[in-house]
Amino acid sequence: AQSVTQLDSQVPVFEEAPVELRCNYSSSVSVYLFWYVQYPNQGLQLLLKYLSGSTLVIGINGFEAEFNKSQTSFHLRKPSVHISDTAEYFCAVSDATSYDKVIFGPGTSLSVIP
Amino acid sequence: EPEVTQTPSHQVTQMGQEVILRCVPISNHLYFYWYRQILGQKVEFLVSFYNNEISEKSEIFDDQFSVERPDGSNFTLKIRSTKLEDSAMYFCASTPTQIYGYTFGSGTRLTVV
Repeated sequence: AQSVTQLDSQVPVFEEAPVELRCNYSSSVSVYLFWYVQYPNQGLQLLLKYLSGSTLVIGINGFEAEFNKSQTSFHLRKPSVHISDTAEYFCAVSDATSYDKVIFGPGTSLSVIP
Repeated sequence: EPEVTQTPSHQVTQMGQEVILRCVPISNHLYFYWYRQILGQKVEFLVSFYNNEISEKSEIFDDQFSVERPDGSNFTLKIRSTKLEDSAMYFCASTPTQIYGYTFGSGTRLTVV
């Protein structure tokens, strides 16, 4: 069964600094990978997804992620964060054993400091 | 932009009571899901629903839980006899295809007292 690890539960970063949120997954078959963002008191919003093809995926709000099959990673990056990026970020995976079930990681809380 | 709508936004219920959480998925979506998030914890898969039947469910989704799409627009989650540990945020999601990425509703905060 697939699983997702997000190594950092909390990441504080100064405004306009770059950030990387780490995600590693475990699956023995081909995977689809997603990043979702959850702003306070809201639902989850899809940031970006990797299905196949280019390993660098560009998402909304200036975020990007890179799929690395050998390291089973899908880290999320942004070159310059804004206060409005303060939120919870979830990495998620589904795989060929069950595309109908997306499993979420525990989340990383990003706090942007003015 | 189309939205997934969930009602109510907050429900308080007594232990042992039945609750029904309601969702209106996006109209042309075919796959529907319920997830829950206990305060401060991870988002947990409950159930997926396609073609008027459950396609997958988790260990959490026991006999106390059921889902229904009664009229082609609503998608409901029923908890027959609530327990204190059912207190959580419940999110409905829908998607046109399994790999498209989900659209989530804003959630229903269920508090069991």
